[in-house]
Amino acid sequence: QVQLVESGGGVVQPGRSLRLSCAASGFTFSNSAMHWVRQAPGKGLEWMAVISYDGSNKYYADSVKGRFTISRDISKNTLYLQMNSLRPEDTAVYYCARDITIFGVAGHFDNWGQGTLVTVS
Amino acid sequence: QSVLTQPPSVSGAPGQRVTISCTGSNSNIGAGYDVHWYQQLPGTAPKLLIYGNNNRPSGVPDRISGSKSGTSGSLTITGLQADDEADYYCQSYDNSLSGEVFGTGTKVTVL
Repeated sequence: QVQLVESGGGVVQPGRSLRLSCAASGFTFSNSAMHWVRQAPGKGLEWMAVISYDGSNKYYADSVKGRFTISRDISKNTLYLQMNSLRPEDTAVYYCARDITIFGVAGHFDNWGQGTLVTVS
Repeated sequence: QSVLTQPPSVSGAPGQRVTISCTGSNSNIGAGYDVHWYQQLPGTAPKLLIYGNNNRPSGVPDRISGSKSGTSGSLTITGLQADDEADYYCQSYDNSLSGEVFGTGTKVTVL
């Protein structure tokens, strides 16, 4: 079955960087667009970024554009989120999610990881 | 901030029906983009509940349904059960933001 496992979260000081990983298994990773979605403590879901099946197209929410970079390594079946210039308001649980489309535009998320907590303080 | 508006909370007794609205605009739902719904139980990741406005993934009971009209979508749960207590989020695509958008979220309480 589809499995998505995030890692890399932790406590980081404002202005520093962190890289999250999402290990995918149980499906053909190269056939799916992938997203990052975050949830601040006690708040709702916020979409962050998407990468197409082959990594050629990437889109970001305005709140992280220019600071966060989404990427994928097909050979390792792994999705990444490089987060730079972190701010206290970036504190959240970060989820990776699989899109049902290959380009990740106007699709939906049919599988989610368990999330990894990032605390910026 | 979310561009899709949901009521903060809805409640109902066991066996009753509740409906959650998701109000958007002409740059998202009104532009023809589908509405999808997710259920988030306390302390867990969201789970896909409805996709493409009114389609249920395998394993989701038929007492859960969705619809879309104009700039809004809605989720209906009939025969409310205790394990329906959760947060529910709608999601669509916004062409002015060039990205996916989520609703503000609705907490369902079973009385």
